Amino acid sequence: NAGVTQTPKFRVLKTGQSMTLLCAQDMNHEYMYWYRQDPGMGLRLIHYSVGEGTTAKGEVPDGYNVSRLKKQNFLLGLESAAPSQTSVYFCASGNWEQFFGPGTRLTVL
Amino acid sequence: AQKITQTQPGMFVQEKEAVTLDCTYDTSDPSYGLFWYKQPSSGEMIFLIYQGSYDQQNATEGRYSLNFQKARKSANLVISASQLGDSAMYFCAMREVGSGGSNYKLTFGKGTLLTVNP
Repeated sequence: NAGVTQTPKFRVLKTGQSMTLLCAQDMNHEYMYWYRQDPGMGLRLIHYSVGEGTTAKGEVPDGYNVSRLKKQNFLLGLESAAPSQTSVYFCASGNWEQFFGPGTRLTVL
Repeated sequence: AQKITQTQPGMFVQEKEAVTLDCTYDTSDPSYGLFWYKQPSSGEMIFLIYQGSYDQQNATEGRYSLNFQKARKSANLVISASQLGDSAMYFCAMREVGSGGSNYKLTFGKGTLLTVNP
């Protein structure tokens, strides 16, 4: 039982490049979430999903897209990375309390 | 207005002593949940304890307890008998149920950095 996993753990991008972060959970949760964590800001919700095939915007969705093609997976995409997207990204799943993945540290140069 | 306020950016406590981390919240939803998470220096987010708005008793989980004062809208985390491994960032979070139970989002405070001294 791996819980929530995220790949990759670290990534460095140049401005304008694209990438996809993958989140997987094995707890059969309907709800999955993507957060970003910046110093002094706590965690802020980017997008979330309440079930396979559904997605919704969170607090800071601009510059990101998501897809939930399978219940266990939730993908976060950056189409054209910007330095302001340098952050630590956390995926979470949970129908009430949320369980977090280990995080992805992304640097955009 | 912030929904979750943690007024202590940093706290220090001696090993084996108890410490209280403050959290106040703002909501007009009668149905909500309050959560505490721990984030050690390794970076992972660890769920600690949960309190529902209709719970009559304060939540406890081992050395963690939640001092829930509904009228004051506070949900302070109490850690008893602090250990060196308790040194970490602690986040308070709230989930408001919303109309029809359709709100699934957690709102986080900015965190309190706890340092346990030997």
